[in-house]
Amino acid sequence: IAGITQAPTSQILAAGRRMTLRCTQDMRHNAMYWYRQDLGLGLRLIHYSNTAGTTGKGEVPDGYSVSRANTDDFPLTLASAVPSQTSVYFCASSVGANTEAFFGQGTRLTVV
Amino acid sequence: QKEVEQNSGPLSVPEGAIASLNCTYSDRGSQSFFWYRQYSGKSPELIMFIYSNGDKEDGRFTAQLNKASQYVSLLIRDSQPSDSATYLCAVNKLGSSASKIIFGSGTRLSIRP
Repeated sequence: IAGITQAPTSQILAAGRRMTLRCTQDMRHNAMYWYRQDLGLGLRLIHYSNTAGTTGKGEVPDGYSVSRANTDDFPLTLASAVPSQTSVYFCASSVGANTEAFFGQGTRLTVV
Repeated sequence: QKEVEQNSGPLSVPEGAIASLNCTYSDRGSQSFFWYRQYSGKSPELIMFIYSNGDKEDGRFTAQLNKASQYVSLLIRDSQPSDSATYLCAVNKLGSSASKIIFGSGTRLSIRP
């Protein structure tokens, strides 16, 4: 593993199902982020974590939850998927909350 | 009011000219400012960061920061067709106990040969 890895790369999910998007980084970065990207809306922050054991809500947190049990992993869970959660999801990490973020390759999620 | 605002474009610039991209932000306490480039279907990639007022140059790119006016800009000199992409402005937003990075909606740049 080098950098940030997201899984799966793409997924088609039935509405109402539970889904966890995985994100792992091997750079020992303290801060991690989840964004969603929709056409014309740029990157919108869902949840973030400044350090292991802490999380915070971003701009669009409803319907999503996260955990940060250790430095490397930051999974994003959709408890009951809805079609409006169809989007491209990006995980990112940074050394600290004030420094530049590096992105994973993205997960394309379609909720039908 | 969005926390980070950009003109969505598209901005069309002839090859070899200077492309100027602008961004304004609402949080006066922000300390770090970033420009990312994103090609269609790809992840955002960092091209510049700036922390202090003034200009910062890196090759054909210059980032400009004016904290008093709360704007940050990116100049691309000698624009090339490969510069055609969406450019995202990002700002770190300080909270009472945490900090996070907020993005604008991006500006689509098209370099015409």
